[in-house]
Amino acid sequence: NAGVTQTPKFQVLKTGQSMTLQCAQDMNHEYMSWYRQDPGMGLRLIHYSVGAGITDQGEVPNGYNVSRSTTEDFPLRLLSAAPSQTSVYFCASKGGKDTQYFGPGTRLTVL
Amino acid sequence: AQTVTQSQPEMSVQEAETVTLSCTYDTSESDYYLFWYKQPPSRQMILVIRQEAYKQQNATENRFSVNFQKAAKSFSLKISDSQLGDAAMYFCAYISSNYQLIWGAGTKLIIKP
Repeated sequence: NAGVTQTPKFQVLKTGQSMTLQCAQDMNHEYMSWYRQDPGMGLRLIHYSVGAGITDQGEVPNGYNVSRSTTEDFPLRLLSAAPSQTSVYFCASKGGKDTQYFGPGTRLTVL
Repeated sequence: AQTVTQSQPEMSVQEAETVTLSCTYDTSESDYYLFWYKQPPSRQMILVIRQEAYKQQNATENRFSVNFQKAAKSFSLKISDSQLGDAAMYFCAYISSNYQLIWGAGTKLIIKP
């Protein structure tokens, strides 16, 4: 039982490049979400999903896309990276109205 | 709208002593969960303790305990016998009715040796 896994752990992009952050969970959780955390701040919700085929926007969705084709996977796509997207990204999952489990995070730098 | 407020940006405590971190929240719901998460310098988000609102008994996990005052909408975290490894950012969080976590801004805890 690996919990929530994220890849890559570190990434450097140039402005305008696109990439996908991967997230997977093996706990059969319906709810998955992506957060970003900027230095000295708390977590802000980007997108979330309440089950396969269902996604919705969070607090800061602009510049990001998500899809949920399976229960296990919830990738986050940066369409055209900007320096303002430099942050640490966390994927999380939970079953219902209960504890949310976090992945180890992806540290993204956009030059 | 639900909100979570942590009024202490930074707290410090002497090693082996006790410290209390404050958290208040605003909601009109009656059934919900509250959490304290710890984020050490590694940036990993680690669950410290959780409280179910319908339970009157305060949750306890080893040296960590909460003082849950439902009527006052207060959810403070007490850390007893503070250790150097407790140094971290601590975030209070509330689960809303649409299953999204509402986060406080965090409290930085410094442990003095």
